[in-house]
Amino acid sequence: AQSVAQPEDQVNVAEGNPLTVKCTYSVSGNPYLFWYVQYPNRGLQFLLKYITGDNLVKGSYGFEAEFNKSQTSFHLKKPSALVSDSALYFCAVRDGGQGGKLIFGQGTELSVKP
Amino acid sequence: DSGVTQTPKHLITATGQRVTLRCSPRSGDLSVYWYQQSLDQGLQFLIQYYNGEERAKGNILERFSAQQFPDLHSELNLSSLELGDSALYFCASSVIGADTGELFFGEGSRLTVL
Repeated sequence: AQSVAQPEDQVNVAEGNPLTVKCTYSVSGNPYLFWYVQYPNRGLQFLLKYITGDNLVKGSYGFEAEFNKSQTSFHLKKPSALVSDSALYFCAVRDGGQGGKLIFGQGTELSVKP
Repeated sequence: DSGVTQTPKHLITATGQRVTLRCSPRSGDLSVYWYQQSLDQGLQFLIQYYNGEERAKGNILERFSAQQFPDLHSELNLSSLELGDSALYFCASSVIGADTGELFFGEGSRLTVL
């Protein structure tokens, strides 16, 4: 069965510092991986995805993610955090064998302090 | 704006009652997914429809049902409501279904059962 894990419930970063939100995955077959962000009382917004190709994927709002097959990881990164990046971040894997639904991790609360 | 519309945004009802949540997918998207987000369970996949037909089923209770109509909008029906059904219910859509594209999420319907 496909699954993703986000080992950290919360990540605290100072504004201007680099940030990393961790995600590991377990899939059979090719992994189709996604990152979403959720601001308070809002829906999920798509940030980026890895399907194939370059292991470094660039997405919205300056975010990028690094796909590492040997470590089965797909960590979300940003070189310089903003206070406005504070939100809930979800890693997800596409379940191609079951209609293509996304299976989400538990989420990581990112807090960026001035 | 993702292009996915959900109504109502907020709903307060009593135990034992029945409610209907509505979702209009993005123009041209054939696949609709329903998710439940609660504090203790995270984001749980409920059910998926593709062009009017049920495609995949997740952790959906027997008290819950859904359908997708010919105009592609979808409704999630929740009956015999319990306190534990209080949650944020999201609808998402994608062009096809079991492909590599991302899902686009609505803003959600917040259900409170008293």
